[in-house]
Amino acid sequence: SQTIHQWPATLVQPVGSPLSLECTVEGTSNPNLYWYRQAAGRGLQLLFYSVGIGQISSEVPQNLSASRPQDRQFILSSKKLLLSDSGFYLCAWTLNTEAFFGQGTRLTVV
Amino acid sequence: AQSVTQLGSHVSVSEGALVLLRCNYSSSVPPYLFWYVQYPNQGLQLLLKYTTGATLVKGINGFEAEFKKSETSFHLTKPSAHMSDAAEYFCAVSEFGAGGTSYGKLTFGQGTILTVHP
Repeated sequence: SQTIHQWPATLVQPVGSPLSLECTVEGTSNPNLYWYRQAAGRGLQLLFYSVGIGQISSEVPQNLSASRPQDRQFILSSKKLLLSDSGFYLCAWTLNTEAFFGQGTRLTVV
Repeated sequence: AQSVTQLGSHVSVSEGALVLLRCNYSSSVPPYLFWYVQYPNQGLQLLLKYTTGATLVKGINGFEAEFKKSETSFHLTKPSAHMSDAAEYFCAVSEFGAGGTSYGKLTFGQGTILTVHP
């Protein structure tokens, strides 16, 4: 069966520090991968998606970037975090008509 | 462009009472519609989905939703609330038929927090 892993689960980072969140999928190949962000009191917003290695599409211009160095690995990064980057980050992948989500990373920028 | 509106950011019901969470959508193409549930500090779990066919769809934990094209609605219901239903619920839409990445390019509503009182 397919599973999706995200880490870390929680993260507290100072303003201006770098960020790296990792997501990996098991049990499938060539998945479509997505990064969503859920800000406090708001819905989920699609940040990036990828259809293959090295292929990244950005939905919202921001302080973040994404990379896909391997087929089942999706990384969300920032060179310098802003306070507004705080939120709950979710990785997802799709199978047929469904999107499956990881457990999320709670990022607090202080 | 797609959009989703969930009416009511907070809904409170008594245990055993009917749960009704409202969702209206807009889409320029036939939509796929989803309801997800999120427990605190966890990811999203799919409750149910509408793609094609029967407009009344049943999901996990006794939830169901009805796709009403004329009303552009996809309201979530459960006949009898349980304490374990307390969570945040998200309605989402993706574009039907576009295939590929569109299934994961979900547009979410703002979420409805369901509180269940004993």
